[in-house]
Amino acid sequence: QVILVESGGGAVQPGGSLRLSCWTSGFRFNNYVMHWLRQTPGKGLEWVAVIWNDGSKVSVAETVKGRFNISRDNSKGTLDLQMNSLSAEDTGVYYCARGISRFEYWGQGTLVTVTS
Amino acid sequence: VIMTQSPATLSVSLGERATLSCRASHNVNTNLAWYQQRPGQAPRLLIFNAYARATDIPARISGSGSGTNFTLTVSGLQSEDSGVYFCQHYNKWPQYTFGGGTKVEI
Repeated sequence: QVILVESGGGAVQPGGSLRLSCWTSGFRFNNYVMHWLRQTPGKGLEWVAVIWNDGSKVSVAETVKGRFNISRDNSKGTLDLQMNSLSAEDTGVYYCARGISRFEYWGQGTLVTVTS
Repeated sequence: VIMTQSPATLSVSLGERATLSCRASHNVNTNLAWYQQRPGQAPRLLIFNAYARATDIPARISGSGSGTNFTLTVSGLQSEDSGVYFCQHYNKWPQYTFGGGTKVEI
């Protein structure tokens, strides 16, 4: 059974930072491309970042480029998202998901609230 | 690529059929997926490659279309089919975009 569990969300002030983590089980983590997506009040569902199964290739959306960084630890089966210079527009639920182009499995999400 | 879904809300009765539309601003071939999101839950993959059902998705849920026009049909509606349905294209890696969703009320 594929399980993805996000953590690390919470309230942060504008300009602040958060690090999200995604813990996985039930599949061979190092075989799969992994993503972060978010669902915000302003833009709905939005793809955020992707990392190749061996970590050799990453890509982030233009809206977060230079502020967010995706990484993974294949020895632990974990996926991270380092988020810096956060603004109100980054408020939303953040999901990790498995898949190359379509998202086959999702975590339950973690809520990030950027507010002063 | 901008994905536009219609209608925004669809009210249907139990046992009836729901037809949801998704339109892409540019040709995405058949690189399209559909998801269902129930309240308080993450989206769940229903359809990929425009018409292929994901694991454990019943045959009463079907997808069709190619290019810029796509349809999701849910037949014999059950209470568990309520929620918001999203389409997503993946024609250009990794610039994936989602539609705004159609809320299905039963």
